[in-house]
Amino acid sequence: DIVMTQSPLSSPVTLGQPASISCRSSQSLVHSDGNTYLSWYHQRPGQPPRLLIYETSNRFSGVPDRFSGSGAGTEFTLKISRVEADDVGVYYCMQATQFPVTFGGGTKVEIK
Amino acid sequence: QITLMESGPTLVKPTQTLTLTCTFSGFSLTTAGVGVGWVRQPPRKALEWLADVYWDDVKRYNPSLRSRLTIAKDTSKNQVVLTMTNMDPVDTATYYCVHRPYYEFFDYWGQGTLVTVSS
Repeated sequence: DIVMTQSPLSSPVTLGQPASISCRSSQSLVHSDGNTYLSWYHQRPGQPPRLLIYETSNRFSGVPDRFSGSGAGTEFTLKISRVEADDVGVYYCMQATQFPVTFGGGTKVEIK
Repeated sequence: QITLMESGPTLVKPTQTLTLTCTFSGFSLTTAGVGVGWVRQPPRKALEWLADVYWDDVKRYNPSLRSRLTIAKDTSKNQVVLTMTNMDPVDTATYYCVHRPYYEFFDYWGQGTLVTVSS
């Protein structure tokens, strides 16, 4: 199975400031069809996860443009340009390039 | 508007079989590319994909749990059922039903149902 490693485990951020989360995969996530099936999810306390980004850099419907995804191969990043109070919670990366689907361990974002 | 809702027991005893039902609306499991699956999350832990079933009745299971899982769809009822045998306290988790297009991401999630395994 592909292992997804996120860093940091926890990220205290100041409102209005940027935040960045890293996700590293144990193998390249480039599929034989040329696409990279790396997605990001945000889970607020007591809520189900919600999809933010798919295929590395595509924002899902309704996701604010302060969220952006980038990366290639085995290194990926989720950036929040200006953190808002609603952004607290845990962020997960997930790969669907290789069977089975695997998730990262999560990064907790909290306000300083 | 896509919605999914999980239902099933909140408490099961060790060795028992868990049966969870996902009832969905806003899409059809007969449409090409559409899949419905299950993801679970033990308390304060990360997410784990369990299984998917697709419009063409292809089923995929997490190899680590394959021997214990069965997934099935009932398109007439807009439901997907997951069964997990030989439940153990380590299976205590919130179980989420998810919509999954074309084997990619999980774009819509149910609210989840917490299942506790205890005698």
